Amino acid sequence: KAGVTQTPRYLIKTRGQQVTLSCSPISGHRSVSWYQQTPGQGLQFLFEYFSETQRNKGNFPGRFSGRQFSNSRSEMNVSTLELGDSALYLCASSLGRGVRMSYEQYFGPGTRLTVT
Amino acid sequence: DAKTTQPNSMESNEEEPVHLPCNHSTISGTDYIHWYRQLPSQGPEYVIHGLTSNVNNRMASLAIAEDRKSSTLILHRATLRDAAVYYCILRAPTLLIWGAGTKLIIKP
Repeated sequence: KAGVTQTPRYLIKTRGQQVTLSCSPISGHRSVSWYQQTPGQGLQFLFEYFSETQRNKGNFPGRFSGRQFSNSRSEMNVSTLELGDSALYLCASSLGRGVRMSYEQYFGPGTRLTVT
Repeated sequence: DAKTTQPNSMESNEEEPVHLPCNHSTISGTDYIHWYRQLPSQGPEYVIHGLTSNVNNRMASLAIAEDRKSSTLILHRATLRDAAVYYCILRAPTLLIWGAGTKLIIKP
């Protein structure tokens, strides 16, 4: 079974631009979560989608948004990029049936975003 | 929000057991305790999870205190490939909160 894939793997943008990152979950997984990882703040939860609906949201500004498609693929968008948005953005998928919180998550390799 | 506390780093010798502690004194009754690890330049990898009872799988064992305010991840026989940052996370109904993790160093 193929793992979680994320595209692109590396991205360089300038301040003020916007960016869209893509995540394809493991086949059959309906839940997709996004995380930001930086050396200073560690791993921080952005949001979680299940069946095209945002289920949970972390403490990030409205510049960070996401969506999930009917095939469970997900995209996250960051508008008006700031230098502090430079980070590794990780996507994780899980079975996530119903509201059970016990399912393990499978992570992709991440997209390394650099804002200059 | 419930948080976890872990030591910043631990060292162990190869082929010896490793006990990684985690404190979560503000855990609520519905919070699952999850452990993940992250090898260098990779995304996190699921290790184990539990709610109240001790759990075993092919990778590790999870010992949960009776009051659920702490837990311990046990690697029965550490290898060099187990060198990673280990995260203890509470998976609550509304949020997944990651701490700084424990960097495990394995000495050959």
